[in-house]
Amino acid sequence: GAGVSQTPSNKVTEKGKYVELRCDPISGHTALYWYRQSLGQGPEFLIYFQGTGAADDSGLPNDRFFAVRPEGSVSTLKIQRTERGDSAVYLCASSLYPGSNSPLHFGNGTRLTVT
Amino acid sequence: AQRVTQPEKLLSVFKGAPVELKCNYSYSGSPELFWYVQYSRQRLQLLLRHISRESIKGFTADLNKGETSFHLKKPFAQEEDSAMYYCALSKSFGGAQKLVFGQGTRLTINP
Repeated sequence: GAGVSQTPSNKVTEKGKYVELRCDPISGHTALYWYRQSLGQGPEFLIYFQGTGAADDSGLPNDRFFAVRPEGSVSTLKIQRTERGDSAVYLCASSLYPGSNSPLHFGNGTRLTVT
Repeated sequence: AQRVTQPEKLLSVFKGAPVELKCNYSYSGSPELFWYVQYSRQRLQLLLRHISRESIKGFTADLNKGETSFHLKKPFAQEEDSAMYYCALSKSFGGAQKLVFGQGTRLTINP
């Protein structure tokens, strides 16, 4: 079946612009996660949704970052006033339920470049 | 603070040789540890969890709480094992998978 889908696969934007990154999780998966991976680093946790609500947003670096999941399926990560330091691969993952018995399924990521 | 350290960025071994990818962690509670793998042009995927105590694709990993390590081992490397490997720690045992990842080790198996 279809895996986690992320669009766009690549996004180039100018410093100061607003961007939206989309994640389509596997159908029926209740838990959804956003991670960010900078060059040469491992993924870094940003935010976790259980259903429609953000259960843990402690990884968001500042208030320029915001994410929603209004119907408990598709999620959008929004970044305002982008900075060059925001350049990274943004990964989305979903799992059937939150616990670690339910494996995380990652998308291919969106590569964001801020010029 | 929780931290995962993978001391080797690159590791190269010959086919048929044993492989050990090192992972050390820093966490005061009871961690749950994982190994994730990313093959060329593929997505990041779970390889194994310490709690499962299973062997996947010939790989095993044992949690050593005394040494705070979770090294990944395979007795005989195969060319298809070439990939990027990440060790990860979950701060919430059995709960939401808010993972802390290491920097990763790129494993190359030479023919």
